[in-house]
Amino acid sequence: GQNIDQPTEMTATEGAIVQINCTYQTSGFNGLFWYQQHAGEAPTFLSYNVLDGLEEKGRFSSFLSRSKGYSYLLLKELQMKDSASYLCAVRDHAGNMLTFGGGTRLMVKP
Amino acid sequence: DVKVTQSSRYLVKRTGEKVFLECVQDMDHENMFWYRQDPGLGLRLIYFSYDVKMKEKGDIPEGYSVSREKKERFSLILESASTNQTSMYLCASSGGSGGSQPQHFGDGTRLSIL
Repeated sequence: GQNIDQPTEMTATEGAIVQINCTYQTSGFNGLFWYQQHAGEAPTFLSYNVLDGLEEKGRFSSFLSRSKGYSYLLLKELQMKDSASYLCAVRDHAGNMLTFGGGTRLMVKP
Repeated sequence: DVKVTQSSRYLVKRTGEKVFLECVQDMDHENMFWYRQDPGLGLRLIYFSYDVKMKEKGDIPEGYSVSREKKERFSLILESASTNQTSMYLCASSGGSGGSQPQHFGDGTRLSIL
């Protein structure tokens, strides 16, 4: 089985940098995904990590350490529109199924 | 862009009714998934399908069944709806097996069972 932990809520200031952590304990691992979900909307794909290290995509970066069972999503130059829930999901060894963490609700304040 | 369409955004049904939730994707994806999303519990996988007429149970299949008669359509069925099935239901699809291909989600159906 899989166990995925993220903080429930975080607050940050517009223009700042925020790091959202995700730890996982899994029986198999074949990649980690981050999704963004605005209230009342569908989750949308942000990033994918399967090898250790940092993946950068504009203002968003995601880091993975497989040996530590740890990932983080880094959001730079925060904007009000970044207020949303951020979901960490681990794909199992079979390659199709995702297990999601409970999500981190990020509130960006002026 | 991938389009995953769920038939209803909001649905209200009564206890004991048989409920059908429909999902259609337009990208010829092999894999389709049904999740429910509840506050504090995140997304939990109910069933998924990796091919027509194929299905596998997820983490919480009890009280649900699915049907995949055509590649583009994946239906979730509540055999006899109960109040604890009141939830947001999300459908997703993805292509291939493994790799970096993400799951793409529909807008969700908020189902209330009275």
